[in-house]
Amino acid sequence: AQKITQTQPGMFVQEKEAVTLDCTYDTSDQSYGLFWYKQPSSGEMIFLIYQGSYDEQNATEGRYSLNFQKARKSANLVISASQLGDSAMYFCAMRGYQGAQKLVFGQGTRLTINP
Amino acid sequence: GAGVSQSPSNKVTEKGKDVELRCDPISGHTALYWYRQSLGQGLEFLIYFQGNSAPDKSGLPSDRFSAERTGGSVSTLTIQRTQQEDSAVYLCASSSYQVAGNTIYFGEGSWLTVV
Repeated sequence: AQKITQTQPGMFVQEKEAVTLDCTYDTSDQSYGLFWYKQPSSGEMIFLIYQGSYDEQNATEGRYSLNFQKARKSANLVISASQLGDSAMYFCAMRGYQGAQKLVFGQGTRLTINP
Repeated sequence: GAGVSQSPSNKVTEKGKDVELRCDPISGHTALYWYRQSLGQGLEFLIYFQGNSAPDKSGLPSDRFSAERTGGSVSTLTIQRTQQEDSAVYLCASSSYQVAGNTIYFGEGSWLTVV
C-alpha cells in the first residue's frame, strides 16, 4: 500500500518569494512515480510535475522543481518566484508501477500568495 | 478530444434519485479513473479501468455505486438512490503508458449536490 503525507495544511507566502511544499511518502514498490497537482478554486486538477523513482535528476518544469530525496522518501515541490496566480490547493500523489495502478493523494496544502 | 471531458458539470438531485455522470477520456488513453472529492477534502479513489482488463472497483463506497466503460472509451458512473453524503465533486481522469510516468490527467469534474 502507498501513503502520502502532507504536513502543511496551509501556507502564506509573499509574492516573488520561493516556497517549498512538503511531501513524504511510503511504499513497498521498487518502481513508482511521484506527482504534484494544483487545484485552483475552480476545482480542476492541473498536473504540474512528475518524478520517477529511478530518475537521478530532480524534475523541473518552468518555475516548478521537485526536490526528490529517495532515502528520506521525500518529494517536496519548490515554486520559485511565486505569483498571485499560484494561490491554490496543492496535492502530492504517487502511484506504484507494480500491482495497483491507482494514484494515491495526500490531503493537500493550501497555498496563499500575498501581494 | 484535447482533454478529459465530463458531463454534467453541475447536477442537483433529490435524495433517493439515481444519477449518471459521464466521462470522455483523452483520445488514445487506455486507462480511466474515477475519483471523488468532498468539500475541503483530498481525493478518494473509486474505480479504475485499464483496457479490456477487469476494473479495479476497490474504492467504490457501496453497492449503490457502479461504473462501466463502453468500447474502451466513454465511461459512466452511476449512483443509485442518492444520499446527501454523496454530495461531492466526481473527477474523471485518464492516462496512457505512452506519456512519461503514465501521468494521469483530470477532467474539470461533475459537481453533485443531493438535496
